[in-house]
Amino acid sequence: NAGVTQTPKFQVLKTGQSMTLQCAQDMNHNSMYWYRQDPGMGLRLIYYSASEGTTDKGEVPNGYNVSRLNKREFSLRLESAAPSQTSVYFCASSPKVIGEQYFGPGTRLTVT
Amino acid sequence: GNSVTQMEGPVTLSEEAFLTINCTYTATGYPSLFWYVQYPGEGLQLLLKATKADDKGSNKGFEATYRKETTSFHLEKGSVQVSDSAVYFCALFSGGYNKLIFGAGTRLAVHP
Repeated sequence: NAGVTQTPKFQVLKTGQSMTLQCAQDMNHNSMYWYRQDPGMGLRLIYYSASEGTTDKGEVPNGYNVSRLNKREFSLRLESAAPSQTSVYFCASSPKVIGEQYFGPGTRLTVT
Repeated sequence: GNSVTQMEGPVTLSEEAFLTINCTYTATGYPSLFWYVQYPGEGLQLLLKATKADDKGSNKGFEATYRKETTSFHLEKGSVQVSDSAVYFCALFSGGYNKLIFGAGTRLAVHP
């Protein structure tokens, strides 16, 4: 039981490049989330997916797109990376228990 | 809107010292409250929770009491260990598909 996995662990992009961050969970959870973590700002929700086939914007969605490929997988895409998107990105999934979320190990992204 | 405010870190303590990390919230009604912990290089893990006023959440020697009169949920531990060194996040349930609002996080460093 791997929990929540994310790839890659580290990535360096140049401004304007695109990339997709992958996330998968093996806990049969319906809900999945993408957060970014910046110093002094905690975690901010980018997008979430309440169930397969649905996605909704969170607090900071601009510059990102998501795909809920199936129940297990939820990917985050940066179409044209900007230095302001330098951050650590976390994927999480949640069972139907209030407040309980399970996090992946994160992807550290640097945009130069 | 809903928000969470945590004391700024870092908090530096010697082993066996008493720990308090302050957390206050702004919300409509009485939301469920949580503490998450992030160990170096890892994603967040749920540490404890309280779902209604005057509830006390506890886990691994950590405790927090939901105080509606002061809108607070301070984290305490009687005797910290080096292994408790981590970043601690206070969070509240903001409704709709298990969305959480996180505080900025407080880094704890415990020295032998």
